[in-house]
Amino acid sequence: GQNIDQPTEMTATEGAIVQINCTYQTSGFNGLFWYQQHAGEAPTFLSYNVLDGLEEKGRFSSFLSRSKGYSYLLLKELQMKDSASYLCAVCRLMEYGNKLVFGAGTILRVKS
Amino acid sequence: EAQVTQNPRYLITVTGKKLTVTCSQNMNHEYMSWYRQDPGLGLRQIYYSMNVEVTDKGDVPEGYKVSRKEKRNFPLILESPSPNQTSLYFCASTRQGEAGANVLTFGAGSRLTVL
Repeated sequence: GQNIDQPTEMTATEGAIVQINCTYQTSGFNGLFWYQQHAGEAPTFLSYNVLDGLEEKGRFSSFLSRSKGYSYLLLKELQMKDSASYLCAVCRLMEYGNKLVFGAGTILRVKS
Repeated sequence: EAQVTQNPRYLITVTGKKLTVTCSQNMNHEYMSWYRQDPGLGLRQIYYSMNVEVTDKGDVPEGYKVSRKEKRNFPLILESPSPNQTSLYFCASTRQGEAGANVLTFGAGSRLTVL
């Protein structure tokens, strides 16, 4: 089985930095994804980590520690358009291929 | 433009009236999947397909059927919809083969209400 935990909601101020944590327990771990989803829209890919460490991509960075079952998404210089839900998803290697299991998502509200 | 197209985007129906939500992708992806999204529960997988004529149950398959007769299409069928199937549905696809780096491309979503 698998268990993915992330905070339900967070609020931050425009221009600030926010860190969204995700912890997981799973077998057959084969990487971790972060997706962004604006209200009523489809999720869009942000990042993928399979090795320990930090991956930086512009204002967004994602960190993974496989031994701790822990990841975070770091958003810098927050903008109002960053208000969205952020989905942590664990990739599991199954007999037939890869399976993506999503957490419930963290709603981020950016205030001015 | 590479995309996943779902139809209808919005639908209100009544209990027991069979309906089909279509999904089509133009990226020649092998893998396709259906998810439902409910508040507080995240995206849950209903059915997936590894390739033509290869389908299997996800985590919440009850009340749904799928078929994969062609590579590009993966319709979701609700034979006898019930109110607990009121949800936001997403179809997604990706290539298979590259270990782990299978970025899903999602359709725009279909909001279904069953009265």
